[in-house]
Amino acid sequence: GAVVSQHPSWVICKSGTSVKIECRSLDFQATTMFWYRQFPKQSLMLMATSNEGSKATYEQGVEKDKFLINHASLTLSTLTVTSAHPEDSSFYICSARDRGFGRGAADTQYFGPGTRLTVL
Amino acid sequence: AQKVTQAQTEISVVEKEDVTLDCVYETRDTTYYLFWYKQPPSGELVFLIRRNSFDEQNEISGRYSWNFQKSTSSFNFTITASQVVDSAVYFCALSEPYSGAGSYQLTFGKGTKLSVIP
Repeated sequence: GAVVSQHPSWVICKSGTSVKIECRSLDFQATTMFWYRQFPKQSLMLMATSNEGSKATYEQGVEKDKFLINHASLTLSTLTVTSAHPEDSSFYICSARDRGFGRGAADTQYFGPGTRLTVL
Repeated sequence: AQKVTQAQTEISVVEKEDVTLDCVYETRDTTYYLFWYKQPPSGELVFLIRRNSFDEQNEISGRYSWNFQKSTSSFNFTITASQVVDSAVYFCALSEPYSGAGSYQLTFGKGTKLSVIP
């Protein structure tokens, strides 16, 4: 199936610093990528939809100036948590939509392994 | 609005037992996709199956099987002869075809935590 990588897998940072998370589709091109946040023992919460070459669409309540998303190529999207604070600590997961031209199922989101962010 | 309900929060079974995870969905669209994902303790969501709304055939893949019934808006998942490695949180999800802002977004259920006891 389609493979998505995410880096780093975990990061610890001081309050006030910025953290960048990368999401890559390794064996398919993804015009659309998604960023989620997951709290312990809860389901995934969609933060934003990222379309290659255009601005991301943020869900209600998600601060776009806080969570900067860039989707500069068909295989890479980045999420930057700016001026991180302890309340931003969470598990962040990206996904990429496979259009079905490769080995993945069409119109299916494949997920990265996630990034655990801890802000001290 | 779309909605996915997984009424079972947690299930425990003894190894080799069969277990069915329930999923009920709501949507106004006639065209949609249904998915199941597995999230083991490591955290990564693993894609298990995608079902098109026009295809009501049940599917079997090894010990896994899925029962899709549009009449009851259900997409249940059965694991036969469960194993310890099946222990994970399982999410059912629904997406609609591209409709402008929709862009195949997934609506997730709250997940069912399955514990398989040796």
